[in-house]
Amino acid sequence: QQQVKQSPQSLIVQKGGISIINCAYENTAFDYFPWYQQFPGKGPALLIAIRPDVSEKKEGRFTISFNKSAKQFSLHIMDSQPGDSATYFCAARDSQGGSEKLVFGKGTKLTVNP
Amino acid sequence: DVKVTQSSRYLVKRTGEKVFLECVQDMDHENMFWYRQDPGLGLRLIYFSYDVKMKEKGDIPEGYSVSREKKERFSLILESASTNQTSMYLCASSLVPYRREWGRSSGYTFGSGTRLTVV
Repeated sequence: QQQVKQSPQSLIVQKGGISIINCAYENTAFDYFPWYQQFPGKGPALLIAIRPDVSEKKEGRFTISFNKSAKQFSLHIMDSQPGDSATYFCAARDSQGGSEKLVFGKGTKLTVNP
Repeated sequence: DVKVTQSSRYLVKRTGEKVFLECVQDMDHENMFWYRQDPGLGLRLIYFSYDVKMKEKGDIPEGYSVSREKKERFSLILESASTNQTSMYLCASSLVPYRREWGRSSGYTFGSGTRLTVV
């Protein structure tokens, strides 16, 4: 079963625009929500993360918005640049039972046109 | 920086072969994971390990096994490779929670991946 639903599957944005990727989850036991960025030929790299007791976290041009009641979170990329073109994955951490694992969304391929 | 190294970037194997994918991390992480990545399906967890000689099944363990004899090394084994195991395989590692309170990241560190083709 898909525990983290990510949309859209692909996104094309003009340079300078705002990129928005959305994720939704069902499991209220999730306790950590990271976003990963993956360039072709590379493994995913941690971009930014948020805990459920915070509604927003900003790091440079990247912002996570978190809505606990709606069980949704989103990544906003301000002033999008061609170098931001990559695949983005949202994830949620399941810490039940003492062992931890991340559940990933299916990914969003972002293309920023110059 | 934490480094997670996967021994091969590309592998081509024949159906029925036994395949070993190796992963080594150099930052004393307790947790290690194997994922496979397929277009449109994202990252799916195969197996993970939170200590030496410990392993737990992920979401898609069928056809795979793992070995963790040393803390830094986590191996994924395809007992009898099949064409539906053609995929990108990603290894990752992370710290356990009590060590993260020392100010270390809660995130995973991934290797660059091994693209396996089974013919």
